[in-house]
Amino acid sequence: TQLLEQSPQFLSIQEGENLTVYCNSSSVFSSLQWYRQEPGEGPVLLVTVVTGGEVKKLKRLTFQFGDARKDSSLHITAAQPGDTGLYLCAARQGGSEKLVFGKGTKLTVNP
Amino acid sequence: DAGVIQSPRHEVTEMGQEVTLRCKPISGHNSLFWYRQTMMRGLELLIYFNNNVPIDDSGMPEDRFSAKMPNASFSTLKIQPSEPRDSAVYFCASMEVYNEQFFGPGTRLTVL
Repeated sequence: TQLLEQSPQFLSIQEGENLTVYCNSSSVFSSLQWYRQEPGEGPVLLVTVVTGGEVKKLKRLTFQFGDARKDSSLHITAAQPGDTGLYLCAARQGGSEKLVFGKGTKLTVNP
Repeated sequence: DAGVIQSPRHEVTEMGQEVTLRCKPISGHNSLFWYRQTMMRGLELLIYFNNNVPIDDSGMPEDRFSAKMPNASFSTLKIQPSEPRDSAVYFCASMEVYNEQFFGPGTRLTVL
């Protein structure tokens, strides 16, 4: 059983469309992070959310942390081909330095 | 500044051979993590070090896997003997205390 469930697993859309991907769990987390991974590279941190209900914006990307700190969503407005990649959520429990990762959503934005 | 450096980038070996993966963390980072990524299981933490000391190795799959960090600028992950099911991309990441993890480019391991 995955601690973090990400959906959808795959998403293929046209340039200019909006999309939302989800990261869900039954556990409470002290913080949650979103990473993007491009082919042949390691994941790169996009954002960290720590407060229940928190919303952070990074240009066309909007990240939300659930009120109960168990889930999160990533919304992309007007997707571009450069947004193509594997989006991973990762979370810490308590004071641990360890990160647990979801399996990711593989996004393809077609020109 | 150089990021996390991993070598080799690609490794193809035969079943039963010893494999050693290497990692140089970002200078000044005191935590180092080894991960394995596969399509089936995603990104899994194998082991992590804090100030060169192994803190949690509960993710190491079995005794064939071992990791060392002899100093703050170098770590190795060794598989002996290797098996086809070890084929995966292995990532090293480093971090300052409770901060962002920076990942290396990974080593793609294929065991025939």
